[in-house]
Amino acid sequence: DAKTTQPNSMESNEEEPVHLPCNHSTISGTDYIHWYRQLPSQGPEYVIHGLTSNVNNRMASLAIAEDRKSSTLILHRATLRDAAVYYCILRDVGGTYKYIFGTGTRLKVLA
Amino acid sequence: NAGVTQTPKFQVLKTGQSMTLQCAQDMNHNSMYWYRQDPGMGLRLIYYSASEGTTDKGEVPNGYNVSRLNKREFSLRLESAAPSQTSVYFCASSEPSGINEQFFGPGTRLTVL
Repeated sequence: DAKTTQPNSMESNEEEPVHLPCNHSTISGTDYIHWYRQLPSQGPEYVIHGLTSNVNNRMASLAIAEDRKSSTLILHRATLRDAAVYYCILRDVGGTYKYIFGTGTRLKVLA
Repeated sequence: NAGVTQTPKFQVLKTGQSMTLQCAQDMNHNSMYWYRQDPGMGLRLIYYSASEGTTDKGEVPNGYNVSRLNKREFSLRLESAAPSQTSVYFCASSEPSGINEQFFGPGTRLTVL
């Protein structure tokens, strides 16, 4: 299974954009990039996913590098409720549907 | 819809005791998963069930057994609990096609003394 590398922690001011990076240099052509977040004392929840093109949804945007070896989750205006651990995960669409979670990035949002 | 439910929410065991963690989903998903999360760590997959009637080992299966009772229910059993199994256990389910978004339960916090 391909691995991802994320910074352990990041800080952002409330109402400002946040860019959370993820490196996945061993990504294969059939790996989807998924992002989940885990709020305190809760299970993870889906944020966004993509394959090659940039993606937007109501929660965030996902920017994928042209060579697909890295991606960035963008929260356009961070709120205190966005404080969580964010996980970048690769999923092989041709294999089993299990995820390999790393340790993620703990995002702290400052009021 | 309740989504994914887990019981119990908290449990304390003594070393050597056994117990079963229960998980149920009402989203008609084919795939179900059990993860553990140790303090300060990401989630690690214990076992998963791609579809009813099948189960497979994940990253850390030792010391655990699972049963996919039916499409809705997936249980995790600790036959002889050890302190190293102190963790928070999450169950998840997904429909293995398209997005394959995994939906997680609220977790069971297990302490083994």
